[in-house]
Amino acid sequence: AQSVTQLDSQVPVFEEAPVELRCNYSSSVSVYLFWYVQYPNQGLQLLLKYLSGSTLVKGINGFEAEFNKSQTSFHLRKPSVHISDTAEYFCAVSDKSSGNTGKLIFGQGTTLQVKP
Amino acid sequence: NAGVTQTPKFRVLKTGQSMTLLCAQDMNHEYMYWYRQDPGMGLRLIHYSVGEGTTAKGEVPDGYNVSRLKKQNFLLGLESAAPSQTSVYFCASSWTGGLYEQYFGPGTRLTVT
Repeated sequence: AQSVTQLDSQVPVFEEAPVELRCNYSSSVSVYLFWYVQYPNQGLQLLLKYLSGSTLVKGINGFEAEFNKSQTSFHLRKPSVHISDTAEYFCAVSDKSSGNTGKLIFGQGTTLQVKP
Repeated sequence: NAGVTQTPKFRVLKTGQSMTLLCAQDMNHEYMYWYRQDPGMGLRLIHYSVGEGTTAKGEVPDGYNVSRLKKQNFLLGLESAAPSQTSVYFCASSWTGGLYEQYFGPGTRLTVT
C-alpha cells in the first residue's frame, strides 16, 4: 500500500532564509503528487501539484517542488520565507492505479515555524 | 460562493451518544470526502463519494456511516461515539478524482468524553 513520509515534523527557520520541506512516497507506480498548506484553525488549501511533464512545479506564494521519480521524492522549497508562511504543510499522493477515485494518502505534516 | 461549509464547528459528546456532521458544497462537485486529522498522523480518509447516491469506504471507516442523498451534501454519522473518535474532521470536494485538487472545509472539532 502507498505511504507518504514527511521527514521533519517541525522546521524552524528565520525570516528571509530558504527552506526545504521533505517528502518521500513509498511506491514508484504512477502517482499524482500534491502539497497542501493549513494555516492555524483553517482547512487545507492547495499549494501546488505534479501531474506529469516538467519535474519542477511552481505553486502559489513563491513555493516550488521537484519531482524525483528515482528517489520517489517530492520536496517543497522556497528561497525566502516570510512570517506569514508559518503553517502546517502536508504532502499527499494519489495513486493512479486506484482508478479515478481521487483518494489521497497524506503524510504526517511538517510545521514550518518562521521566526523574525 | 461559500465553497465547502461544515456544521457544526465544535461539538462535545459523551461516550455512546450519536451525532451527524453536515458538509455542503456549492461548486457542483461530483466527488466528496470525509477525513479525520489527528496529531502526528496527517489526514486519513474515512469515507468518500464519487456521485450522488454513492458512498465507499476509505482508510479508517469503522464506527462511521455516510450518506449522499443530494449532490451538494455529504453527511457523516457517528452512531455510538467513542473517545477514540475525538479528532478534527474535514470535508473536501472535487470535480472528479485523480488530478483535480480537493477543496476543504474549515473543519469540525469533536471531543468525546
